[in-house]
Amino acid sequence: GAVVSQHPSRVICKSGTSVKIECRSLDFQATTMFWYRQFPKQSLMLMATSNEGSKATYEQGVEKDKFLINHASLTLSTLTVTSAHPEDSSFYICSARGVKANYGYTFGSGTRLTVV
Amino acid sequence: QKEVEQDPGPLSVPEGAIVSLNCTYSNSAFQYFMWYRQYSRKGPELLMYTYSSGNKEDGRFTAQVDKSSKYISLFIRDSQPSDSATYLCAISPNDYKLSFGAGTTVTVRA
Repeated sequence: GAVVSQHPSRVICKSGTSVKIECRSLDFQATTMFWYRQFPKQSLMLMATSNEGSKATYEQGVEKDKFLINHASLTLSTLTVTSAHPEDSSFYICSARGVKANYGYTFGSGTRLTVV
Repeated sequence: QKEVEQDPGPLSVPEGAIVSLNCTYSNSAFQYFMWYRQYSRKGPELLMYTYSSGNKEDGRFTAQVDKSSKYISLFIRDSQPSDSATYLCAISPNDYKLSFGAGTTVTVRA
């Protein structure tokens, strides 16, 4: 079945630094990747959608200069949280959709970001 | 009004009981309906997917969709402690962008 690998699973960084999160589709080509943010006991909030080779489309209220998304290949998308602050601490999850219209989406295992 | 409403629970049931979960939605344009299971600190895992009204069964899981009432349900029969997780409904108008419910936390007691 489709597998999406997300790394790191957990990261702690100092305030003001940048953190990069990787999302890889291991056995299929992901034409579209979605990045979500999830607060404790809350649902997934879509941050942005990225298509391979194109600029990401950000949801309203999400700062594109703070959350840089790159989708340079059909198997890799990255989310970089720039100049991180404690309020950026959250659980970030990617999901990927393949070339064929296979139903549903495959999610990564998530990254727990803590900014201290 | 949120696009998708889901009671966050928590819901606690004894082992072997039927777990009943549901979501309501507001936009009749929604055509694709999914249920995901999420264990603590993990990404969601797709359980059920459907795009039509009616029932869909997969093992112990049954998904129901009533488009006229804008209401979807997930039933888990013969629940096990390993079913303890958060269950999220997800709905889409075009099988592309998903709107998630808040998730219902379920605990199955041994």
